[in-house]
Amino acid sequence: AQSVTQLDSHVSVSEGTPVLLRCNYSSSYSPSLFWYVQHPNKGLQLLLKYTSAATLVKGINGFEAEFKKSETSFHLTKPSAHMSDAAEYFCVVSENSGYSTLTFGKGTMLLVSP
Amino acid sequence: NAGVTQTPKFRILKIGQSMTLQCAQDMNHNYMYWYRQDPGMGLKLIYYSVGAGITDKGEVPNGYNVSRSTTEDFPLRLELAAPSQTSVYFCASSYSRESNYGYTFGSGTRLTVV
Repeated sequence: AQSVTQLDSHVSVSEGTPVLLRCNYSSSYSPSLFWYVQHPNKGLQLLLKYTSAATLVKGINGFEAEFKKSETSFHLTKPSAHMSDAAEYFCVVSENSGYSTLTFGKGTMLLVSP
Repeated sequence: NAGVTQTPKFRILKIGQSMTLQCAQDMNHNYMYWYRQDPGMGLKLIYYSVGAGITDKGEVPNGYNVSRSTTEDFPLRLELAAPSQTSVYFCASSYSRESNYGYTFGSGTRLTVV
């Protein structure tokens, strides 16, 4: 079985400061991991994905994430927050086994203040 | 390039009414999914389909039905609407069975049952 835990329901940062959104996962197989972003009243957009290649993954809008198997973590980071980064972020796992589907975390709301 | 199209965007239903949420994709994806999103809960899988004529239950299928007569369309049916079905519904599709390419999401249907 697969599961994902987002360790913070809300994260507040100031514009220009670093962003860290934490995610831990559980999977019986070698997982694929994703981060999706959802802006208010919008659909979900794929930020980045890890699929067993390089452990440091770069995504859109300056975000990146590092897959750490020993820590079962896939934290999302960005060096400098912009106001437009304010949104809800979802960490997602897929076991890559059979007809595996995506399992979503509960989400982290990122608040960015001027 | 339409991607995944959901209709309607908003709907208010009375308890006991029925309705169909429409979902269509133009990317020739075999895999399609229905999720519901409730505040603070992430997304939960309702049903999915791996191809025309093939559907299967996800994590929260009770109260819903689906069909997949064509590759493009994957409607979700609510037969007897209940207040617990008030939610935002997202349809998604994917190219790969391993889902390591991520999913393409529609913009969602916001349903209120009163």
